[in-house]
Amino acid sequence: EVQLQESGPGLVKPSQSLSLTCSVTGYSITSSYRWNWIRKFPGNKLEWMGYINSAGSTNYNPSLKSRISITRDTSKNQFFLQVNSVTTEDTATYYCARWNYSGLDYWGQGVMVTVSS
Amino acid sequence: DIVLTQAPLSVSVTPGESASISCRSSKSLLSSKGITSLYWYLQRPGKSPQLLIYQMSNLASGVPDRFSSSGSETDFTLKISKVETEDVGVYYCGHRLEYPTFGGGTKLELK
Repeated sequence: EVQLQESGPGLVKPSQSLSLTCSVTGYSITSSYRWNWIRKFPGNKLEWMGYINSAGSTNYNPSLKSRISITRDTSKNQFFLQVNSVTTEDTATYYCARWNYSGLDYWGQGVMVTVSS
Repeated sequence: DIVLTQAPLSVSVTPGESASISCRSSKSLLSSKGITSLYWYLQRPGKSPQLLIYQMSNLASGVPDRFSSSGSETDFTLKISKVETEDVGVYYCGHRLEYPTFGGGTKLELK
């Protein structure tokens, strides 16, 4: 069974960088599909942040493109999110998820990140 | 940007009754390949979102056929027949043209 699990610090200071890891089991991230980061803000709004595909190419939400980076470690079957220069508006629950061309079919359990001094 | 607007913000349903949720897109979601890029997700309390419907009207794996979806290029409706306790949560529509965006969510509660 495909499983995704996010990990990373729950508290980040303003102006610092936020770094999260998504560990994938049950499927190789180099086989196929797109591997996404999505966040949910307090109040229910969902925002797609970007993806890295099986070939290693990335695509980002235009509103975040200048601040984020998605990379991967194929030897560990993990992909990563880095968000630079965070503000309190980056406080959210962050999810990683797989896009299988028929939708976001597998999601991690989510990691809550608070930006606060 | 493609904006998806959901209505209502919340709906309260008696178990066994039906519920409908609307999703309106600011642009056509019909792709150049003839696929309607409209998806429905459910986030149950304390859980991650799960895929319910893909490409406007196709049930995702394991989703009961009490769920159905239909629409045009810009207006879509998710219908839940015979609502059950497990259907409680927040429903989102989403698309993947240009770059993916989601509707604001509709909270379904039981009366």
